[in-house]
This record gives sequence, C-alpha cells and structure tokens, in this order.
Amino acid sequence: GAGVSQSPSNKVTEKGKDVELRCDPISGHTALYWYRQSLGQGLEFLIYFQGNSAPDKSGLPSDRFSAERTGGSVSTLTIQRTQQEDSAVYLCASSSYYSNQPQHFGDGTRLSIL
Amino acid sequence: AQTVTQSQPEMSVQEAETVTLSCTYDTSESDYYLFWYKQPPSRQMILVIRQEAYKQQNATENRFSVNFQKAAKSFSLKISDSQLGDAAMYFCAYRSQSFGNEKLTFGTGTRLTIIP
Repeated sequence: GAGVSQSPSNKVTEKGKDVELRCDPISGHTALYWYRQSLGQGLEFLIYFQGNSAPDKSGLPSDRFSAERTGGSVSTLTIQRTQQEDSAVYLCASSSYYSNQPQHFGDGTRLSIL
Repeated sequence: AQTVTQSQPEMSVQEAETVTLSCTYDTSESDYYLFWYKQPPSRQMILVIRQEAYKQQNATENRFSVNFQKAAKSFSLKISDSQLGDAAMYFCAYRSQSFGNEKLTFGTGTRLTIIP
C-alpha cells in the first residue's frame, strides 16, 4: 500500500489477556517506530527498529511489552497480561534509512482494556 | 534528555485569519530536526512542516510557516488564511540528528478550532 497500515483499527480485550498489534510499513522503509498515545502520558516513544534489529527499546514500559520485526517489513507489538493502564492508541511510523527523512504514521490501533 | 513544551492546550481562530502556535524545546545538541505534525480525529499524524537546525532560513509550506529561533530554542507555527480543514491537534516534535537516536519527542499538543 501507499501508506503505513496498522491492524486492527480497534481492539477491546479483558484485563489479563495478551494482545498483538500489527504494523505494515511503507515499502522500502527500513526504519520502523512504535509510539503510544494516552490521555495521561501524551505521545511516548516505545521502540525503534532499523531493519530487523531494535537498537532502541528504551521506551518499552515493562517486560510485558515486546516487539519484533521480520523480513525488514512487518512488525508486531505484543502486550502480555494486559492492564487497564495499557489502554491507549498505539501508533506506528516508518521512514527511509536516511536520518533526514521524516516519519510517516499509520492510523493507529485503539486498545481498550476492560 | 530532550523536552518539548507546548504551552497552549487550546487555540481558536476565525476562518481566513492567521494563528500562531507556540513551541519551545530544551536540548544540549547542536544538530537536530524540528517538526510540526497535525492529528485530525482520524488519528493519523500528518507531517505539516519540518526544520533542520543548521538552516537559518525558516521553513514554509504553502499557508504554513515557522519562526525558528535557535538561540531561544523556540519553534512556532504560523497558519495563514485558516481553513476549516485545519482544525486538529497540532504537535511539535524534536528529533536528534545522531545516528540511532531518531525517535521523536513530542510536546503535549495544541487543539486548534476554526470558527466559521
């Protein structure tokens, strides 16, 4: 596709369940980023991939959060044993290799924990 | 660590008028990028304009322009001839130029309302 694609668009789950969020970046973009947008914390960086490697995981809030990227393309963000404070919009962005290129965002996944 | 501050949670402007959104940042780096992103209710973050810190000339994109004051660490966005479609949340963001540190640091946003 032409832009960054995220799925699902919305996800409602019960506290304690595991969830997987998917991001399909713009074709050819080697860099991929996950951010979280919540009412209390604003927009926070979670993790950055360059190819399949994650040189910066500093924003992951706890060991319940993990992410992987395969084939230098699709990325999955997994949240285990979800808590109510995990409710947020999870945004994915991608950019080309060169650092002077801007990040292009998807529409996000709205995660609601009951 | 870098921080970005947007001191105006909400702004409103009459259609066709001009509005300026404020942003200040704190960094010890000399090379970096600054961005303004727009987020309508659809949630997608849309790049409005960007500025490289090494450039003295202020960036412009059609009706959007910035006033970049590097010494003052200020980066305001001016929207001219405001249109109804400009209504959105606007986020100022900072990004280091150092390799491996390309994450965006965002301000808390300014909600812009356009009055018909």
